[in-house]
Amino acid sequence: GENVEQHPSTLSVQEGDSAVIKCTYSDSASNYFPWYKQELGKGPQLIIDIRSNVGEKKDQRIAVTLNKTAKHFSLHITETQPEDSAVYFCASGRGTDKLIFGTGTRLQVFP
Amino acid sequence: DAGVTQSPTHLIKTRGQQVTLRCSPKSGHDTVSWYQQALGQGPQFIFQYYEEEERQRGNFPDRFSGHQFPNYSSELNVNALLLGDSALYLCASSLGVTNEKLFFGSGTQLSVL
Repeated sequence: GENVEQHPSTLSVQEGDSAVIKCTYSDSASNYFPWYKQELGKGPQLIIDIRSNVGEKKDQRIAVTLNKTAKHFSLHITETQPEDSAVYFCASGRGTDKLIFGTGTRLQVFP
Repeated sequence: DAGVTQSPTHLIKTRGQQVTLRCSPKSGHDTVSWYQQALGQGPQFIFQYYEEEERQRGNFPDRFSGHQFPNYSSELNVNALLLGDSALYLCASSLGVTNEKLFFGSGTQLSVL
């Protein structure tokens, strides 16, 4: 069935360093790839998304890259700050179909 | 502008009981999707409601049912609760039947004892 694998499950970085989270999807028909940030006690919040006709998208310190051939997509956070600490989820979707979420990455940014 | 609101925030039930969770979508949104998030896992799609009808359904048994009202708010009902139903239940709203730009509420934490 449809599946999204996400790595690593935990990631610790020093403030100011970069963080990279990687995901692999199984459904070759997927065409939408969002990233969500979930803070403790809150619901997931969309931080950036990309469609399959674009290879890279950037929004200030956050960027997402997509490799359709390899069915990989990644989240890059530069100049990390303590407030970036949270659980990050990747997801994939096809058309208007449901999103399939990864298992999450707990990012800790140490001052 | 109010975001997605869910009630209650926490709920404790015993096995076999029934539960109803409620969701009000973000202002201007007309579609509500429900997700189940087990501890340490990503959200899993339960179903989606648009124009008061179930439009899509994930791999959940018939014990899970829902409803959407004319004001776009929605309810999730779970019958014959099992211990494995313990999870965070998230409501997400959007404009139209889409998987893009979903706005999530903070969820209802359901514990089944």
